[in-house]
Amino acid sequence: EAQVTQNPRYLITVTGKKLTVTCSQNMNHEYMSWYRQDPGLGLRQIYYSMNVEVTDKGDVPEGYKVSRKEKRNFPLILESPSPNQTSLYFCASSLRGASTDTQYFGPGTRLTVL
Amino acid sequence: RKEVEQDPGPFNVPEGATVAFNCTYSNSASQSFFWYRQDCRKEPKLLMSVYSSGNEDGRFTAQLNRASQYISLLIRDSKLSDSATYLCVVTIVSSNTGKLIFGQGTTLQVKP
Repeated sequence: EAQVTQNPRYLITVTGKKLTVTCSQNMNHEYMSWYRQDPGLGLRQIYYSMNVEVTDKGDVPEGYKVSRKEKRNFPLILESPSPNQTSLYFCASSLRGASTDTQYFGPGTRLTVL
Repeated sequence: RKEVEQDPGPFNVPEGATVAFNCTYSNSASQSFFWYRQDCRKEPKLLMSVYSSGNEDGRFTAQLNRASQYISLLIRDSKLSDSATYLCVVTIVSSNTGKLIFGQGTTLQVKP
């Protein structure tokens, strides 16, 4: 089944404790991205990647890191999480880019930073 | 001013009603337009792309007005299962990357 998976789905952590949210797609998509969704603000792009070893900042990259060592995986790293990073996070992928291709989203990761 | 603006609603309508949502965008360089549907904090899923000539998919009709910089979504004969949040999405293309900009969504509640 074609899909985007994220892990963990739910995470409660404390300020400053490094964490990684994994994202994997099995559709051989080139484009992957991370979003956060907050009430009243909609989805905002954190980072995106056009292909292996190619990543770029989205609108709200501060406090996050990403890597794209393999085509299928695009982990999101929070080196020192803070309470303002409490949010619902979505990973998405598409065949080539964001311009015309359908974005396929993972199921979301609900993160709480205490 | 937000780059993509939607009335958050909620729109409460009875089954069978026709309902329309608008979405305005501020960047005239916007090139592609979409409506995504999101159920209760689940992942967004593509509902339909929006083409310049307008397009229809069953009970759903999407239209684009470039001059006024808005897109619309019309839902006819509303079903209970249409209850969801509808996200307006605009892309601004730079090379082949494109940047997706989401509206905050319009919530629709269809009542029996």
